[in-house]
Order: sequence, then structure tokens, then C-alpha cells
Amino acid sequence: EAGVAQSPRYKIIEKRQSVAFWCNPISGHATLYWYQQILGQGPKLLIQFQNNGVVDDSQLPKDRFSAERLKGVDSTLKIQPAKLEDSAVYLCASSLETSGGPGEQFFGPGTRLTVL
Amino acid sequence: GNSVTQMEGPVTLSEEAFLTINCTYTATGYPSLFWYVQYPGEGLQLLLKATKADDKGSNKGFEATYRKETTSFHLEKGSVQVSDSAVYFCALSTGTSYGKLTFGQGTILTVHP
Repeated sequence: EAGVAQSPRYKIIEKRQSVAFWCNPISGHATLYWYQQILGQGPKLLIQFQNNGVVDDSQLPKDRFSAERLKGVDSTLKIQPAKLEDSAVYLCASSLETSGGPGEQFFGPGTRLTVL
Repeated sequence: GNSVTQMEGPVTLSEEAFLTINCTYTATGYPSLFWYVQYPGEGLQLLLKATKADDKGSNKGFEATYRKETTSFHLEKGSVQVSDSAVYFCALSTGTSYGKLTFGQGTILTVHP
């Protein structure tokens, strides 16, 4: 079974530029998550989708970050404009929906963003 | 709110040494507890989990017991190998967070031959 796919794996941009990340979850997984992992810290949830609806975006900096999950499958996360403090690894994860709620999360390899 | 605190790292051990990585938590509601591992160049993987008090999660020789009275979920392994070198994250989720994971800061483990 294919895992969670993310692209690009690495991205270097200047501050104030825009950048987009793409995630393809495991087939059939209804729930999709975007996490931000700053160096030396644990991942922090940015946004959670259930199919194509947003469940939690309370920690998403909405003035510069946006995310969408059209058709409830692939998702893109965009930053516009980027700041130096956005340098981090952006992780995508997905999980099956179970009778008890979202199941185990499976993580992609991440996109490492460097903002200069 | 929810939070997870892991022991300060990094941790450096010789092969076959005993490993303990401490993890304590605060949570609203009754959390499920997890240990994730991130091997060099790879994505996060679930190592083990426990969903209720006194449960013991185990996998690949690692164990952790859900201690509600001390709000802890310490990771242990009796004899580490060089291949265990990785970053280990303690995490929790609660029913009210609908699957959202709250992670600790991670502990870097290096095992020398």
C-alpha cells in the first residue's frame, strides 16, 4: 500500500515570496492533517480536514497560511508571504475514519522549507 | 489545554544499554498516549500506544505504561541497538481533540557500538 506522498521534499525561498506544498494521502483516508515542525520542537497541528471540510484550523496563521482539500483527496498548503520564522518541516498525515473517530495517523516524509 | 513534556536530550548510549525516556502530560479529558519515532531521513512512525490507564504498549522491544496517577508514559527498552538511533516523540490525543495529536519536543537518541 502506498504511503502518504508529499512534494516537494525541499524548498528554499526568499522572505515575502509565496510557496505551496502538496499532499496525497493514503487512498480511502478521510482525515488529513498538516503539521509544522520547527527544528528542535515537536510537530504542531496547523489544520485538520475531514473529507473536504475543516475540523480544526485554530493554530493556522490565517493572515498568511491557507489550505484546501478539493474533492476530499489531495491537499495543498500555501504560505503567502513567507517569513523567516516559517522555516520548518511541513508534515502531512492521514487516517481512516473509525467508529471511535479518526484512527492511527500515517505521516508523509515532509517538506523542508528554508526561508532566507 | 493539552501539553506533553519530554526529558531533555540528547541521549547517548552504548549498545545493549538500558533506555528510559521520560514523558509526562497534562490533558483535558481522558487522553490516548503514543510514542512516535523518526529515523534519519524518514517520516514519523507510530512506535506504540496505550488508550487507558495501566495499559502497556509494546513494539520492537520498546515498552511504555500509561500511568494516570503520575500522568506519565515513560519509554523503556532493555537493550538498545545502533539501529534504534532516532528521534522519539511522546504525544497524546483526546476525544475532544478529534484525533489531533499534541507532541512533546522530541528526544534524540544516539546508540554507539
